Amino acid sequence: AQSVTQPDIHITVSEGASLELRCNYSYGATPYLFWYVQSPGQGLQLLLKYFSGDTLVQGIKGFEAEFKRSQSSFNLRKPSVHWSDAAEYFCAVGRLGAGSYQLTFGKGTKLSVIP
Amino acid sequence: DGGITQSPKYLFRKEGQNVTLSCEQNLNHDAMYWYRQDPGQGLRLIYYSQIVNDFQKGDIAEGYSVSREKKESFPLTVTSAQKNPTAFYLCASNRDRRQGFNEQFFGPGTRLTVL
Repeated sequence: AQSVTQPDIHITVSEGASLELRCNYSYGATPYLFWYVQSPGQGLQLLLKYFSGDTLVQGIKGFEAEFKRSQSSFNLRKPSVHWSDAAEYFCAVGRLGAGSYQLTFGKGTKLSVIP
Repeated sequence: DGGITQSPKYLFRKEGQNVTLSCEQNLNHDAMYWYRQDPGQGLRLIYYSQIVNDFQKGDIAEGYSVSREKKESFPLTVTSAQKNPTAFYLCASNRDRRQGFNEQFFGPGTRLTVL
């Protein structure tokens, strides 16, 4: 069965500092990988996705992620964090199951930003 | 604008009562999903539907029921059999899998509290 691990429950960074959120997955085939962001009390918004091709993918709001097959990782990065980036971030792996595409989510990493 | 709407945003229920959460989408998506979110637990799949009049149980379907009478609508009923229903519920949708893997789009969520 597939699984997603986000090792960091909570990360605090200063505004302007760089950010890296870790994600490791377990999946037998080539994975479909996603990063979503959630503001408090809101739904999830897609930041970026990886299906195939270039292993460095660019997303919205200045985020990028790199797929490393050898490490089973899909870490999210941003060179300079803004206060508005404070939110919870979820990594997810997609698979075809029972005739439909399903997502398995990690437990999330909450990001706090110090002004 | 296309999107997913969920209502109500907040819902209070007395123990022993059934309650129905609404989810409507105008994205012309075939597949729809219901997730439950608890603090520190990520998202867990309750039910999903690929097509009208068809739906499948997810990982935590016990105590929940759904219907899919229209393509646009996928209501979730939380029954009195659900032992711990207080949670944040998210509805999502995506295109039919025959069009290739694609991301899920999420609604704003409903917070259910059992009094």
